[in-house]
Parts: sequence; C-alpha cells; structure tokens
Amino acid sequence: SAVISQKPSRDICQRGTSLTIQCQVDSQVTMMFWYRQQPGQSLTLIATANQGSEATYESGFVIDKFPISRPNLTFSTLTVSNMSPEDSSIYLCSASGLDEQFFGPGTRLTVL
Amino acid sequence: SQQGEEDPQALSIQEGENATMNCSYKTSINNLQWYRQNSGRGLVHLILIRSNEREKHSGRLRVTLDTSKKSSSLLITASRAADTASYFCATRRIQGAQKLVFGQGTRLTINP
Repeated sequence: SAVISQKPSRDICQRGTSLTIQCQVDSQVTMMFWYRQQPGQSLTLIATANQGSEATYESGFVIDKFPISRPNLTFSTLTVSNMSPEDSSIYLCSASGLDEQFFGPGTRLTVL
Repeated sequence: SQQGEEDPQALSIQEGENATMNCSYKTSINNLQWYRQNSGRGLVHLILIRSNEREKHSGRLRVTLDTSKKSSSLLITASRAADTASYFCATRRIQGAQKLVFGQGTRLTINP
C-alpha cells in the first residue's frame, strides 16, 4: 500500500487569496488524483494529475481555478485560486497503482 | 457525476449486531472498492473486489459483488463502537479514464 501525506492539514484563508496543497507519496505510483469533499457530501474528482504534462480536469473544474502540478511520480500540488467561501471543503490527494487506490489525510480548507 | 448509489444513507444499530450496506452502480466496472471515513478525515481503504470475483472477506468484513445486478454489499459482523464512520463504495470502470467514482456513502452509527 502507498502512504500519502498532505500539507497543510488545515487552513483558514481569506476570500480572494490562493492556497497550494502539497501531496507526497512514499512510493512511485502510476496515477495521482485530487478530490474535493464538500461538507456532508461524498468525494468528487477534480482532476487526474499527469506527470510532466497538464492535468486532466473533470467537468465543472478548470485549470485557472485549480492549477495542478506533478513534476515527478511521487509529488503533486493543487492550488485553489481566488478562493470564495464556496471553496470551503476537504481536499484529498489520492494515488493508485494498477488496482487499489489510496488517499491522503486531506486538507480541511475554510474560506472566510 | 456520481456513479454509485448507496443505501441506506444512514444506519444505526446496537453494538454486536451486523451491519449491511449496499451499493449500486450504472456502468461496467473493472473493480469496486470500499472505504471508511471517520469524522471528515482521510479515507481508509477496506477492500477491493474485482469484476470476476463474487465475494471477499477481510476480518469482520464481507463484500459481495453481483455484476448482473450492478450491485455490491458490505457486511460488518459483530459491530463495535469503533466501526462508527461513513462508508463509501467506489467503482473503477473498464473503459475510459481509470478514475474512481464514489457513491454517496452510508453513515453508520454503532450504539454501545
């Protein structure tokens, strides 16, 4: 299994600012993903982080709002840009090999 | 969009009883994975069942998969207070992007 760490674990931010979340996996993985979990809801996939190329975004998510980087096989960042209170959520990094998919502890973001 | 539907949305039972949660999905899948989430924290991977498998066990967990009905169930036997959490099923499709799509989850409460 892969062990995934994220930082920060939580943050409180002012509207209009941006926050970058870092994700580190302890082993080389094939795929990395970013999910959002709004309060009381299930997980929604934001994008697939592709190594060395632009991320693949799901419907409703755009690169200008959620720029993602993945410079190597074990590290990725998600930036939440120009934040509004509606962006208050838990953001989770995830990684998988061929089968099982594992998740980081999440970053709890509150936007005031 | 969410592929999975889970029922019940909430389940409350007495400690020691068995808990059964169901998950239905819409498209053909490669595998189905069950996760546990405690109080908005990260997801813990419980079990993966492949499309060619019908049943898997892990400790007190039993998962079944019926691909003809596009449904799965998670049974927790001899429940404990520590099993109180939200449980999610997630499916990985056969074709297209290898992303994991989550159901809405079941909130399980074990009463002492």
